[in-house]
Amino acid sequence: DTEVTQTPKHLVMGMTNKKSLKCEQHMGHRAMYWYKQKAKKPPELMFVYSYEKLSINESVPSRFSPECPNSSLLNLHLHALQPEDSALYLCASSRGPTGRVAKGYTFGSGTRLTVV
Amino acid sequence: SQELEQSPQSLIVQEGKNLTINCTSSKTLYGLYWYKQKYGEGLIFLMMLQKGGEEKSHEKITAKLDEKKQQSSLHITASQPSHAGIYLCGADFQGAQKLVFGQGTRLTINP
Repeated sequence: DTEVTQTPKHLVMGMTNKKSLKCEQHMGHRAMYWYKQKAKKPPELMFVYSYEKLSINESVPSRFSPECPNSSLLNLHLHALQPEDSALYLCASSRGPTGRVAKGYTFGSGTRLTVV
Repeated sequence: SQELEQSPQSLIVQEGKNLTINCTSSKTLYGLYWYKQKYGEGLIFLMMLQKGGEEKSHEKITAKLDEKKQQSSLHITASQPSHAGIYLCGADFQGAQKLVFGQGTRLTINP
């Protein structure tokens, strides 16, 4: 299994809703990432989990809350989002936390989030 | 990312023509990655380059890494409509635990 699976593929939520995005990989990778991509822009890093611990938070607002329940799963909990948070959210994984041990990054197909 | 400069930002070529996309880093690279993205979809991994002078090919796409210049080029030979999309270079740097991206190149292939 060489894939990163993201669910759901599409999500529409109101500004008062609570929802979660899910990401799963079974490649034995020990680093997982959340990226946000706005239209016509490159992906921007949000969070990095390394060996199930949060290692990087790129000053993301607290309405986004990541969680790594185990080495195969990564969640992104959403609460009280704003319309400007509408974007494609991408999950990725790598063998290790970048540099010499990363050996490549595998991306999921993303969740298209619309906040109304 | 200003750490990675990608050019050109957009490119329109006639089917069958060759083309080159460049990616220049302002920092020392561990790895340089090329991805392709169709609009609104996930990133498709193309190639990873880690050693100076390294060159890899996949079908009609070739990527090279010039370690001295900290620059990579992606070359497509005899372009086809299936090559259309957004090409993103990504890099991880010494001392940083993250993959950052260039601004992307939007490639259009005209029949």
